[in-house]
Amino acid sequence: GAVVSQHPSRVICKSGTSVKIECRSLDFQATTMFWYRQFPKQSLMLMATSNEGSKATYEQGVEKDKFLINHASLTLSTLTVTSAHPEDSSFYICSARDHGVGRYNSPLHFGNGTRLTVT
Amino acid sequence: AQTVTQSQPEMSVQEAETVTLSCTYDTSENNYYLFWYKQPPSRQMILVIRQEAYKQQNATENRFSVNFQKAAKSFSLKISDSQLGDTAMYFCAFQGAQKLVFGQGTRLTINP
Repeated sequence: GAVVSQHPSRVICKSGTSVKIECRSLDFQATTMFWYRQFPKQSLMLMATSNEGSKATYEQGVEKDKFLINHASLTLSTLTVTSAHPEDSSFYICSARDHGVGRYNSPLHFGNGTRLTVT
Repeated sequence: AQTVTQSQPEMSVQEAETVTLSCTYDTSENNYYLFWYKQPPSRQMILVIRQEAYKQQNATENRFSVNFQKAAKSFSLKISDSQLGDTAMYFCAFQGAQKLVFGQGTRLTINP
C-alpha cells in the first residue's frame, strides 16, 4: 500500500529557532500534499495545500511567512516552522494524494505525524 | 465552504455491542467522497471506510458499515460486534474538489 513517511516524529526546539518537517511519499508520486495541525483532543485543521512546483495555498488564518512550505519534487514536501514560539507546539500531520489516481478515487495517505514542542 | 459536523463528542459501549456514530455535512458540490478515519492513541490516521457520493449503495467493510443519506447530507458509521481495539477517535471527513475537511471527532470507548 501507499506509504507516507514523515520525519521527525518528535522534535523539541527552543523559542526563536526554526524547525523543518519532511513528508515523503515512498512508493507513489504526489502532486498535492496537505499539512494539518492537531491540538490535543481536537480535530485536524488544514493549514495549507502543497502543490509540486508552485506556491502553497494557505488556509485562512495561517501565516504563510510563519509556516513555510516547499514542494520541490513529486515525492517530497517540507514544512518549516520559522521563529518558533511555545504556541506553535502541536502535532503536525502531512498527507498526500496519489498523482496517478483520479481526484475523487483516492483517499489521502497520512504520515505518522510530528509532535513539536517549543520551549 | 464545506463543513462537517459530528455531534457526539464521546461515546461508550460494551464490547460486542453495536454503536452508531453520527456525521452531517454541508456542501454545494455534487461529486465528492466521504470517509471515516480512526485515530488510535498512536495518532496514526487509519482509513475505516469510504463512500462515493454518486453511489446509492451503502459501503461496508467487515464490521463497519455506513448509512449514507445524500439528500439529508448525513453519513453515519455503524460498528457491529464492537471490539476493544475499536477504542479510538473517529473522524468523519469530506473530500471535494480540493481538500479533505474533518469533523470534530467522536471519542469512542469500548468497555470490556
